[in-house]
Amino acid sequence: GAVVSQHPSRVICKSGTSVKIECRSLDFQATTMFWYRQFPKQSLMLMATSNEGSKATYEQGVEKDKFLINHASLTLSTLTVTSAHPEDSSFYICSPSLRFSGRSGEQFFGPGTRLTVL
Amino acid sequence: AQTVTQSQPEMSVQEAETVTLSCTYDTSESNYYLFWYKQPPSRQMILVIRQEAYKQQNATENRFSVNFQKAAKSFSLKISDSQLGDTAMYFCAFMLNTGTASKLTFGTGTRLQVTL
Repeated sequence: GAVVSQHPSRVICKSGTSVKIECRSLDFQATTMFWYRQFPKQSLMLMATSNEGSKATYEQGVEKDKFLINHASLTLSTLTVTSAHPEDSSFYICSPSLRFSGRSGEQFFGPGTRLTVL
Repeated sequence: AQTVTQSQPEMSVQEAETVTLSCTYDTSESNYYLFWYKQPPSRQMILVIRQEAYKQQNATENRFSVNFQKAAKSFSLKISDSQLGDTAMYFCAFMLNTGTASKLTFGTGTRLQVTL
């Protein structure tokens, strides 16, 4: 299967600071990146979708100015949580996808980043 | 919009026994995929099994099999010969087959505990 890395795996920050999460697809080129958020004991909820070189599309209720997504290359995407608050504490998971994954049903996931905002 | 429902928040099964996890979904589309994912304590999402909607034959992967009832929009997962390592959260998920990368819609999950 595909290898996906996320960094950092855990981060603790103070309220008001910004945190950047990196997602790398190590052995394939991800034309599309999905970012999910998972609150404790809950399911994964899609936050946004980005295509390489294009602006991200955000799901309803997700603030685009707060969650900045950059997908500048086919192997790297970043999610920046700006001016983080305790309610942003969550588990963030990236899912890089191949352009035609919709045909094959292939989905890959990063190991996730646990963000704690104090 | 698609929705996925898992009505069993928690399940327990004894080692070596069989357990079935339920999932129903709602869509007006006809071409899609259904998945079961496992999320162990490490929280890494692991694909358990995948079903293409246009295939009538139920998918199987070793001890894991599904009962896919397209008309009823039901997609249950059967785990045979349960092992302690099967203890995890299990998510049912839906994905449209659009020909390009598509998002997953997840159910709320079922926490499975395998006991001795």
